[in-house]
Amino acid sequence: GENVEQHPSTLSVQEGDSAVIKCTYSDSASNYFPWYKQELGKGPQLIIDIRSNVGEKKDQRIAVTLNKTAKHFSLHITETQPEDSAVYFCAAILSGSARQLTFGSGTQLTVLP
Amino acid sequence: EPEVTQTPSHQVTQMGQEVILRCVPISNHLYFYWYRQILGQKVEFLVSFYNNEISEKSEIFDDQFSVERPDGSNFTLKIRSTKLEDSAMYFCASSVDRASSTGELFFGEGSRLTVL
Repeated sequence: GENVEQHPSTLSVQEGDSAVIKCTYSDSASNYFPWYKQELGKGPQLIIDIRSNVGEKKDQRIAVTLNKTAKHFSLHITETQPEDSAVYFCAAILSGSARQLTFGSGTQLTVLP
Repeated sequence: EPEVTQTPSHQVTQMGQEVILRCVPISNHLYFYWYRQILGQKVEFLVSFYNNEISEKSEIFDDQFSVERPDGSNFTLKIRSTKLEDSAMYFCASSVDRASSTGELFFGEGSRLTVL
């Protein structure tokens, strides 16, 4: 099955700085890579996703890059704000499977004002 | 904005008791899922459900677990005889289409289960 590793487990940045979270996956057949933001006491919310036919995707201050050869993908948040503070999870999904997302272990991002 | 709703938000139960967690998926969604998250750990897949049957399940989803869509709106997870290690946050999710094609998974806010 798929295995997703995520680093770092915690990340503190100053407001306005950039944050980068990295994930690697094991199964080269995986083709969909979403990123979720989880605020305290809430369920994961999709913030951006990328499919294996694309190398990069951007949505305002958030971007995701995918390197299929190396089997890793990264989340980039620019101009961080205190409200970006949350746990971020990467995930991967195997093409053709019935939809089980395999999640990374999460990154606690703290944006310091 | 449509959302997945879950009840109860928190349930405390004694070991060995049966628990039912309830979910109302988004109304036009066709695929339903349960995930769980033990405190401080990653979110883990339990089961996916489509067309009134289980599509896929993980090794966590043993005989103590069952899912049901008793009517047109609810989707339930039953744990027959709870164990201490079942203590976790349980998330329901739904998607229009299979998440590997076009369907984003929408998660509920979770039901926290505490087994004493």
